[in-house]
Amino acid sequence: DAKTTQPPSMDCAEGRAANLPCNHSTISGNEYVYWYRQIHSQGPQYIIHGLKNNETNEMASLIITEDRKSSTLILPHATLRDTAVYYCIVRTGANNLFFGTGTRLTVIP
Amino acid sequence: NAGVTQTPKFRILKIGQSMTLQCTQDMNHNYMYWYRQDPGMGLKLIYYSVGAGITDKGEVPNGYNVSRSTTEDFPLRLELAAPSQTSVYFCASSGGTSIYEQYFGPGTRLTVT
Repeated sequence: DAKTTQPPSMDCAEGRAANLPCNHSTISGNEYVYWYRQIHSQGPQYIIHGLKNNETNEMASLIITEDRKSSTLILPHATLRDTAVYYCIVRTGANNLFFGTGTRLTVIP
Repeated sequence: NAGVTQTPKFRILKIGQSMTLQCTQDMNHNYMYWYRQDPGMGLKLIYYSVGAGITDKGEVPNGYNVSRSTTEDFPLRLELAAPSQTSVYFCASSGGTSIYEQYFGPGTRLTVT
């Protein structure tokens, strides 16, 4: 499975867009990019996933570069409740997701 | 739907004791998973199952056993507990119309002393 690289931490002002980057330069053609988040000590929560095209849902947008070597998760209007650890995962299927250490996003009032 | 439920929420074990962590899902998902999360670390897959009667090892299976006799239940058994098994354990499931999305339970915090 392709490895991912994420910054360990980021801050974002409340109400502003949070842009969380992820590098996955060794991604192969059939590997999806998944994003999950973990709020405090709760179980992780699925956010979004994509293969090639940009994706948007009610929680976030996922922008994948044309060469698929990196992606960005965008939370359009961050709130305090978005403070969490965000995991970028690359995998061929839904199983065996490898959770690295992620990016700790802190939304500042 | 209750989603994924786990019991107990907390447990303290003595070294060498055994216990079973319970996990139940009511979403009729085929896939179920057990992860552990050590402090400050990401989750590591212990075991997973693609359906009743079928289980397979994940990244860190040593010291654990699982069974999947029904679609709903996926218990995790710890035999001869060791301090290295002190962790938070999460159960998850996926399937149905959302095979790409894993639903996680609230976790079981286990301390082995």
